[in-house]
Amino acid sequence: AQKVTQAQTEISVVEKEDVTLDCVYETRDTTYYLFWYKQPPSGELVFLIRRNSFDEQNEISGRYSWNFQKSTSSFNFTITASQVVDSAVYFCALSDTISGGSNYKLTFGKGTLLTVNP
Amino acid sequence: DTEVTQTPKHLVMGMTNKKSLKCEQHMGHRAMYWYKQKAKKPPELMFVYSYEKLSINESVPSRFSPECPNSSLLNLHLHALQPEDSALYLCASSQPSGLAKNIQYFGAGTRLSVL
Repeated sequence: AQKVTQAQTEISVVEKEDVTLDCVYETRDTTYYLFWYKQPPSGELVFLIRRNSFDEQNEISGRYSWNFQKSTSSFNFTITASQVVDSAVYFCALSDTISGGSNYKLTFGKGTLLTVNP
Repeated sequence: DTEVTQTPKHLVMGMTNKKSLKCEQHMGHRAMYWYKQKAKKPPELMFVYSYEKLSINESVPSRFSPECPNSSLLNLHLHALQPEDSALYLCASSQPSGLAKNIQYFGAGTRLSVL
């Protein structure tokens, strides 16, 4: 069975601090996809990044960066110089490849509530 | 454009009412999803439609009835709900093929309260 663990339930930082959100996953698949989504108080889940199991390159997008390490089954997310607008719940998710076809089942972690204080 | 539109944004209904939630996307996606999300919890998958056919039903009670009338539209019909069904209902869609084929794009959700 697939599992995603986000051990940090809540994190509170002061603006301009760097913050890392941890994600550890379990899967028996050799091909899989990992995702990060952001959910602000408005409720919409906003897609941030997808990474497939064959691509261990780290990625940077503006103030966001992701560190994927298959050896430790981790896919961590770092926000540099955090801002108040980064306050949200962040979900890490793992895609089930068994579904096949055009639909995929996401297994979500429990989420990390990030609060950035001014 | 990665927009999934859900209506209504808020819905209050009694346990004997019948109501429907609507989800629309115009991105050419052929997979559409319904999720239920309780407060402080991750989304839970309810249904998946692939090419307008129901492909996954996660053992959802029959008081929830999904419908996919065409490739752009997904409905969730509600009947005889219970107070514990109060939640945020999220719709998502994804491409059937291509590089972005398993990226699910979500709507803003419908906040449902059952009295």
